Amino acid sequence: QQQVKQSPQSLIVQKGGIPIINCAYENTAFDYFPWYQQFPGKGPALLIAIRPDVSEKKEGRFTISFNKSAKQFSLHIMDSQPGDSATYFCAASGYSGNTPLVFGKGTRLSVIA
Amino acid sequence: DAGVTQSPTHLIKTRGQHVTLRCSPISGHKSVSWYQQVLGQGPQFIFQYYEKEERGRGNFPDRFSARQFPNYSSELNVNALLLGDSALYLCASSLEVRGGGYTFGSGTRLTVV
Repeated sequence: QQQVKQSPQSLIVQKGGIPIINCAYENTAFDYFPWYQQFPGKGPALLIAIRPDVSEKKEGRFTISFNKSAKQFSLHIMDSQPGDSATYFCAASGYSGNTPLVFGKGTRLSVIA
Repeated sequence: DAGVTQSPTHLIKTRGQHVTLRCSPISGHKSVSWYQQVLGQGPQFIFQYYEKEERGRGNFPDRFSARQFPNYSSELNVNALLLGDSALYLCASSLEVRGGGYTFGSGTRLTVV
């Protein structure tokens, strides 16, 4: 049973483009939604996270959009750069600690110059 | 400041053997979680420990066990290794069980032959 469904599996964009990665969840106990970036040979690194009390959060070039009623959230990367080429994971957990962090299957992003 | 430290970085074991992986959390972090990441997939939750007590367990067989020490470091043990146990094993630390904010180490790459 996959608790967090992520799409697309891979994505290729031109430099300066805006890649969008989508995730959907089922467990209503989730109330903390982070995105992680992972480079080959490294562990996932936290990019940005959102809680259900807001519909959008921006940090630098990264934006999370959150739709509580649809149980969906997405990551937008503005002005993408070749250095953004990595695998991106959405995740979800219970903020109170009652539900562990679960991950989507990941999106491999390639930004070409 | 030191991040999450995992050892060893790479390991090759034979089927049926036992393995112990180690994790030192960020100073001040009291919670440690273990994840298994198979190539091309998202991390899968194995265990979470907080203040030396198990706070969560994922869908893994009893061959997998873990513990947390008084200094908050942790060990993951896997008995009777199978080829399918080959993966990147990630450790994540956080201040507490609640609140998210997980920081991952670079992982231990385990290969079972």
